[in-house]
Amino acid sequence: SQKIEQNSEALNIQEGKTATLTCNYTNYSPAYLQWYRQDPGRGPVFLLLIRENEKEKRKERLKVTFDTTLKQSLFHITASQPADSATYLCALGRQGGKLIFGQGTELSVKP
Amino acid sequence: SAVISQKPSRDICQRGTSLTIQCQVDSQVTMMFWYRQQPGQSLTLIATANQGSEATYESGFVIDKFPISRPNLTFSTLTVSNMSPEDSSIYLCSVEDGTGPYFGAGTRLSVL
Repeated sequence: SQKIEQNSEALNIQEGKTATLTCNYTNYSPAYLQWYRQDPGRGPVFLLLIRENEKEKRKERLKVTFDTTLKQSLFHITASQPADSATYLCALGRQGGKLIFGQGTELSVKP
Repeated sequence: SAVISQKPSRDICQRGTSLTIQCQVDSQVTMMFWYRQQPGQSLTLIATANQGSEATYESGFVIDKFPISRPNLTFSTLTVSNMSPEDSSIYLCSVEDGTGPYFGAGTRLSVL
């Protein structure tokens, strides 16, 4: 069956450093991959989408890579800030199909 | 971007009762979805709410337990029926409007 794995341990980093979160998947061939941010008590907020034919995508301090051979996506936040502290979810999808979410990675950025 | 209002934001219910969750969108959208997020778990799609026809349910979810209404392109309801403590979860409404996916703030349900 399809499986998505994100860093299960919370990630603690110092302000100003780059945070790198991992999303690995098996038994699935997604057409695209999405990253979301979720704060406690709130719904997920869409951040970035990267398609299967794209290697990398950037948005401000965010960078996402997508390696369909390794079946892995990396999510980077450069110059991290305490306000970046949240849980980050990856989700896989196909055109017209449902999204499959990972369990999320909790990021904590210390001042 | 679509703005989603979901209510109630939270509720505590007795087992055996039912709760109806409302999802209101500020624009007309074709695709509306209902998700469940159990404690410490990822989001799981319950069903796609179709306007003018029955909802499409994912494996493991049935209409008798989670009836869904979609009377128009801006509104949907999800009912959690005959609740048990295992139904304690966050229920989320989501839409796609062509500019991206958007989620409501969720309804935190606790069943005693």
